[in-house]
Amino acid sequence: SQQGEEDPQALSIQEGENATMNCSYKTSINNLQWYRQNSGRGLVHLILIRSNEREKHSGRLRVTLDTSKKSSSLLITASRAADTASYFCATVPSGSARQLTFGSGTQLTVLP
Amino acid sequence: GAVVSQHPSWVICKSGTSVKIECRSLDFQATTMFWYRQFPKQSLMLMATSNEGSKATYEQGVEKDKFLINHASLTLSTLTVTSAHPEDSSFYICSASRWGAGANVLTFGAGSRLTVL
Repeated sequence: SQQGEEDPQALSIQEGENATMNCSYKTSINNLQWYRQNSGRGLVHLILIRSNEREKHSGRLRVTLDTSKKSSSLLITASRAADTASYFCATVPSGSARQLTFGSGTQLTVLP
Repeated sequence: GAVVSQHPSWVICKSGTSVKIECRSLDFQATTMFWYRQFPKQSLMLMATSNEGSKATYEQGVEKDKFLINHASLTLSTLTVTSAHPEDSSFYICSASRWGAGANVLTFGAGSRLTVL
């Protein structure tokens, strides 16, 4: 079952702008992960943030986690046309070591 | 890095036939693999968890006799769509669980697009 809801569902920005995507979830989590999917392809793991972490960076990616609000955000800075893809958050519930539940995804389009 | 190979990448079949999709972890052992189904512009829906050497665990609403899963080795899991019908047309994606960054992360195959005529 899908636990996460992401917003916006679709986001269109100009190259060089920042893109922010949000994810909300319902149950307690062990960690939260963000994945990227190019059209018609599999998913690529981007970044993982644990439940005891509040912020994490990886290159142009910045992820925040607010467990009190059960929400996370993914910020992509200085976006590029190649960042165009669907982005999904996925949560690992507390007590579960492996199973991921995916959010509904955000379709990001970066215009050159 | 960890690589998961999924084959075939696309397949077209006639209604009533069976189709097998393979998922291989190429450079690591995967005791657990997951099979997802994805409809256009939608998220991934977990179908089943495949455990090496044991029966798969199916999610609620997924027919185990329809979607046969075999995980006979630490590097191979297969999904067979039996007696396929047009409503089974979808994008099927496998993933393998591995330990990374101190937690389990998934490495995904490139997906298999099934079209049932």
